[in-house]
Amino acid sequence: DQQVKQNSPSLSVQEGRISILNCDYTNSMFDYFLWYKKYPAEGPTFLISISSIKDKNEDGRFTVFLNKSAKHLSLHIVPSQPGDSAVYFCAADVQGAQKLVFGQGTRLTINP
Amino acid sequence: DTGVSQNPRHKITKRGQNVTFRCDPISEHNRLYWYRQTLGQGPEFLTYFQNEAQLEKSRLLSDRFSAERPKGSFSTLEIQRTEQGDSAMYLCASSLTSDGTQHFGDGTRLSIL
Repeated sequence: DQQVKQNSPSLSVQEGRISILNCDYTNSMFDYFLWYKKYPAEGPTFLISISSIKDKNEDGRFTVFLNKSAKHLSLHIVPSQPGDSAVYFCAADVQGAQKLVFGQGTRLTINP
Repeated sequence: DTGVSQNPRHKITKRGQNVTFRCDPISEHNRLYWYRQTLGQGPEFLTYFQNEAQLEKSRLLSDRFSAERPKGSFSTLEIQRTEQGDSAMYLCASSLTSDGTQHFGDGTRLSIL
C-alpha cells in the first residue's frame, strides 16, 4: 500500500510564479514530514521539513504547509526559478522509526 | 567534499553474480541508512544502522542481501546471486541521532544483464 502519495507526476510553472506541490498520506502515525529535491544522476537533497506540532514552516522561498485533519501537505516555492526544475519527493516518518516513506515524486519544470 | 559518498556510481553485472556497494557517511553522523529506488518511484527503505548496530531491516531485504557497518564508519551492502529485479538505484543516507534529517549520497546504479 502506498502510504505517501504524490498524485501529480509532473507540474509546469512559469518562472517567477508560485509552484505548489502536493502530497497526501494515509498513516496517522506519521509525525515528521520532509521534502527532497532530486536532479538527474544525483541523490535527493533535503529542502525543508515540518513536525506535526506545526502547520507551517518557512525557509526562504520554500514554505511547507501541513493539514493533519486532511492528511495533506504541500510545498510552495515562490518565486519559482529555472534552477528549481527537478523531481520533488515528499517523505514521512514516525519520530524514532528512522525509516522515511517516500511518495512517487513530482517532476517540476520551470519555464522561462 | 564532506557529503555522503557512494562507490561505485554504476555497476553492471550478469545475473547470478555477487555485487558489493560501499557508502561513506558524513563523518560525524552516527546513523546510516540504505534505500532502493526503481524507475518512477520514490526511494524505499531497506535497513539502517546506529553506529555499528543494524537496528532494522525491511521485508524488502531478502536473504540475498546483507549489510554491514564495521566500526560504525563506512557501510557495505552486498547482494548475492543477483536477479533481474535487483536492477535499481541503491541510495545511502546518514544522519545525526539528534537531528532526524537524512542526507543522501548520489547512489549506485545497479544494472543486471
